[in-house]
Amino acid sequence: GAGVSQSPRYKVAKRGQDVALRCDPISGHVSLFWYQQALGQGPEFLTYFQNEAQLDKSGLPSDRFFAERPEGSVSTLKIQRTQQEDSAVYLCASSLSGGNQPQHFGDGTRLSIL
Amino acid sequence: SQQGEEDPQALSIQEGENATMNCSYKTSINNLQWYRQNSGRGLVHLILIRSNEREKHSGRLRVTLDTSKKSSSLLITASRAADTASYFCATPNNDMRFGAGTRLTVKP
Repeated sequence: GAGVSQSPRYKVAKRGQDVALRCDPISGHVSLFWYQQALGQGPEFLTYFQNEAQLDKSGLPSDRFFAERPEGSVSTLKIQRTQQEDSAVYLCASSLSGGNQPQHFGDGTRLSIL
Repeated sequence: SQQGEEDPQALSIQEGENATMNCSYKTSINNLQWYRQNSGRGLVHLILIRSNEREKHSGRLRVTLDTSKKSSSLLITASRAADTASYFCATPNNDMRFGAGTRLTVKP
């Protein structure tokens, strides 16, 4: 498809487990963003990539959160030793270049930590 | 921390009526963007207004921007049941800052 694809759509994990969330951006999009969205709230910025470079990770809530985009296309958000407060929808977005342009979002991964 | 703040938090109207949502932000901007989010889906970009523009139209959407008041409004005219969604304003600065959104319900 032509849009941003995220997998899995739903993930249930036990507290303490590690999880990995995948994002396939639109082909050719240079910028990639990760957001965390709690129920009834707007997306909260986590981190931003320009190609393979992680230019801003100021939104990552703790060192248990790690994101990578090794070849400048697909990105993975990893959460280690998950906690219940990590339960949320994780959204990925991409844009042609830079943070000022419109972003194209995937439908997110709904993460539930039991 | 979030940058944009939408008002009202929730809005319920009848089909055919107009819906107005407001957004306030805190810092200087290059542009301001509005997005829509249907339940269980990702956000969809609606319209972008640059800091040197005061008003912009796209179909049934009208956006205004007042940089002196650091505020913007989104007007949806002749609303339809399909417009039921959450609406967010966002101010980009490499990272995109979203507000908590306005939940719009359009009753058929």
